[in-house]
Amino acid sequence: DAKTTQPPSMDCAEGRAANLPCNHSTISGNEYVYWYRQIHSQGPQYIIHGLKNNETNEMASLIITEDRKSSTLILPHATLRDTAVYYCIGAGGTSYGKLTFGQGTILTVHP
Amino acid sequence: EAGVAQSPRYKIIEKRQSVAFWCNPISGHATLYWYQQILGQGPKLLIQFQNNGVVDDSQLPKDRFSAERLKGVDSTLKIQPAKLEDSAVYLCASSRPGAGYGYTFGSGTRLTVV
Repeated sequence: DAKTTQPPSMDCAEGRAANLPCNHSTISGNEYVYWYRQIHSQGPQYIIHGLKNNETNEMASLIITEDRKSSTLILPHATLRDTAVYYCIGAGGTSYGKLTFGQGTILTVHP
Repeated sequence: EAGVAQSPRYKIIEKRQSVAFWCNPISGHATLYWYQQILGQGPKLLIQFQNNGVVDDSQLPKDRFSAERLKGVDSTLKIQPAKLEDSAVYLCASSRPGAGYGYTFGSGTRLTVV
């Protein structure tokens, strides 16, 4: 699985967009970029994933650079309930879908 | 759809005792995972099943941990005997097989070994 690098923590004002970066320079061509988040005392929650193209769903948008070495998760209008640990994971291809979690980014949304 | 069910929600045991955790995945999800999450760390994969066969158990401490998935549906994870360092949240997740599918996690079992 690709090694990913994320900032340990970020802050965001409520109602503003939260942009969470992730570096995955060793990602292979058949590995997906997944984003999960974990709110305190709960299991991780799937947010979004992508391979090459940008993706959007009801929760977030995922912007992947053309060289696939980095990506950004965008929460367009952050709320207090978005305060969580966000994990960026590169996986897929030969790893049969296995996800390897790192330390993630602690996002704190302030009123 | 119903989520991944896990029980118990909490468990406190003394060291050297045994404990078992149960997981019922989402119907139709052939792939099942057990993760261990120690406080302040990201989840670590212990074992991955595809139907009732083991795909990856390279990080499972096999001298004390065991897991099974009978009939390719429910799964149990057992620790015998438990050590203090086994205190963690044990998370079960399921997904469709192969890359490109997200996991659905259960709420986990918080184990405290005293």
